[in-house]
Parts: sequence; structure tokens; C-alpha cells
Amino acid sequence: DAGVIQSPRHEVTEMGQEVTLRCKPISGHNSLFWYRQTMMRGLELLIYFNNNVPIDDSGMPEDRFSAKMPNASFSTLKIQPSEPRDSAVYFCASSSTGASGNGELFFGEGSRLTVL
Amino acid sequence: AQSVTQPDIHITVSEGASLELRCNYSYGATPYLFWYVQSPGQGLQLLLKYFSGDTLVQGIKGFEAEFKRSQSSFNLRKPSVHWSDAAEYFCAVGPPGGYQKVTFGTGTKLQVIP
Repeated sequence: DAGVIQSPRHEVTEMGQEVTLRCKPISGHNSLFWYRQTMMRGLELLIYFNNNVPIDDSGMPEDRFSAKMPNASFSTLKIQPSEPRDSAVYFCASSSTGASGNGELFFGEGSRLTVL
Repeated sequence: AQSVTQPDIHITVSEGASLELRCNYSYGATPYLFWYVQSPGQGLQLLLKYFSGDTLVQGIKGFEAEFKRSQSSFNLRKPSVHWSDAAEYFCAVGPPGGYQKVTFGTGTKLQVIP
């Protein structure tokens, strides 16, 4: 079975440019999470969706960040405009929650973003 | 609010030696507890989880963890470490049911020396 698929794996961009990260969760999972990992702050939850609806976006650092989940098989995390401090590895994870699941997270391999 | 503390940032052990990674959590009731492992350049992979029942749980790759309610701890152990175990290990806590967000600790980086 395919796991969580993220693209691109690596992105190098210049400050001020728009960045879009993409995620395809595991089929059948009803929750999707976006995390950011940096040396300084560790693994931070940015936002999570349940049944395609954003439940908690309190971790989104500022208005430059936005996330969407138009359907059960696709999500995007967009940064516009990007800044050097946004450089990090961004992980997408999915899980099956509720009566049929247990909340175990399945992570993608991450998108490494470098903003120059 | 839930929180997780991993007091050891970095641990070095010799191959074949035993390992224990510490994890303490803060949560109002009995949470769901997890240990994840991250190899360089990879995402996190679940090693084991505790939801209820037997407080000693077995995971993949020969790891086990013990839930101690009185100490609010969920320490990870392995009797004999292999060089391939070198990675970063994350403890995580979440509310029962998994609907809400899981909180991760800051991680413990394990180095294995020959």
C-alpha cells in the first residue's frame, strides 16, 4: 500500500516567492496533519483536518501560511510570501481517527524547504 | 494542556548494550502514548503505542515501553542495541480517540558506537 506522499521532496526558493507543498494521505484515512520540523523548535503541529475540515490551525505561524484540503485525497500548504525563517522540513501525516481508528500517525518523507 | 518531556537530548551507547530512553508526560487522564523513530532524511515511523491494558507494550525492531501511571512515564527500552538503531526517537502523547492533536517531545538522538 502507498504511504503518505509529499511533493516536492526538496524546494529552494528566494525570499518573497510563493511556495506550495502538496500531500496525498493514505486512502481511507480521515485526518490529515501538517507539521514543521526545525532544529530550534523541533516538531510543531501547524494545522490538522478531520474529514477535510480544518479543526485546529492555531499552530500556523502567521497569515502568510495557509492550508487547504479540497478533498479526501489531497492537501496543500502554501506560504506566500516566503521568508528565510520558513526554512524547515514540512511533514504531512494522516491517520484514521474515531471509532474505526486509533490516531496512529503515518508520516510522509517530508518536504525540505530552503528560502534564500 | 498535554505536554511531553524527553530529558535526554543526545545519548550514546555501545552496540550490544541495553538502552532506555526517558519520556514523561503531562495529561489529565490516561492518554494515548506513542514512540516514533526518525532516521536521517526520513519521516517518523511508529515504534509502538499504548492505549490501555497491559502496561508493557512491545513494538517493532525489538523495542518495548512501559507505562507507569504513578510516574507519568513511558520509557522506551531495548535489551541490545544494533548500529542500525542510530536515529532520533520521539515520544508523543494524545487524547484517547485520536481526534485531537498529538503532542511530540523534543526528541532524543541516539548514537551507537561499535
